[in-house]
Amino acid sequence: DVKVTQSSRYLVKRTGEKVFLECVQDMDHENMFWYRQDPGLGLRLIYFSYDVKMKEKGDIPEGYSVSREKKERFSLILESASTNQTSMYLCASSRQTEAFFGQGTRLTVV
Amino acid sequence: AQSVTQLDSQVPVFEEAPVELRCNYSSSVSVYLFWYVQYPNQGLQLLLKYLSGSTLVKGINGFEAEFNKSQTSFHLRKPSVHISDTAEYFCAVSGNAGGYNKLIFGAGTRLAVHP
Repeated sequence: DVKVTQSSRYLVKRTGEKVFLECVQDMDHENMFWYRQDPGLGLRLIYFSYDVKMKEKGDIPEGYSVSREKKERFSLILESASTNQTSMYLCASSRQTEAFFGQGTRLTVV
Repeated sequence: AQSVTQLDSQVPVFEEAPVELRCNYSSSVSVYLFWYVQYPNQGLQLLLKYLSGSTLVKGINGFEAEFNKSQTSFHLRKPSVHISDTAEYFCAVSGNAGGYNKLIFGAGTRLAVHP
């Protein structure tokens, strides 16, 4: 079974903190994605990566950055967390035709 | 650029009734199309996908979808729903643009099945 593991299920951080969300996949997939999910807005793509050290901006990259130093790991970084970044964050990986998702990290910024 | 529009944000339906969840997409390249389901407090699970070939695609839990290229639609159907089908459903499109596949989702449709 493909496994996509997000490091935390729930996180609470303070405004202005630097936050790291980690995602690891075990199927040697080239593509990895970070989305945020908000009620009524669906899943919005923040960043994706199609290879090690390669990244592309999605639809809402402002306030975020990413890192992919190894193929299996894709990190999302909130440089200075703000309350409007309170959301559910979903990581996914895919080779070509199907994406597999982690369980999500519910981040609350206070 | 690719985009996905799910035409209904909420669909209430009685148990054992048929249901259709509507999805339209736009893309300048050939696409793959997907429906995912998210049960409460869970991650996303693939229901079905269209890659090529037959335009009628069957998925898990009795769901099916039809790809209509001329109408750029990929509507999801089930002839008889159960209470356990209550969930949020997401339509997604993936197309090869610039050498990589970007996966874009719609806003979701919340299916509520009532007894």
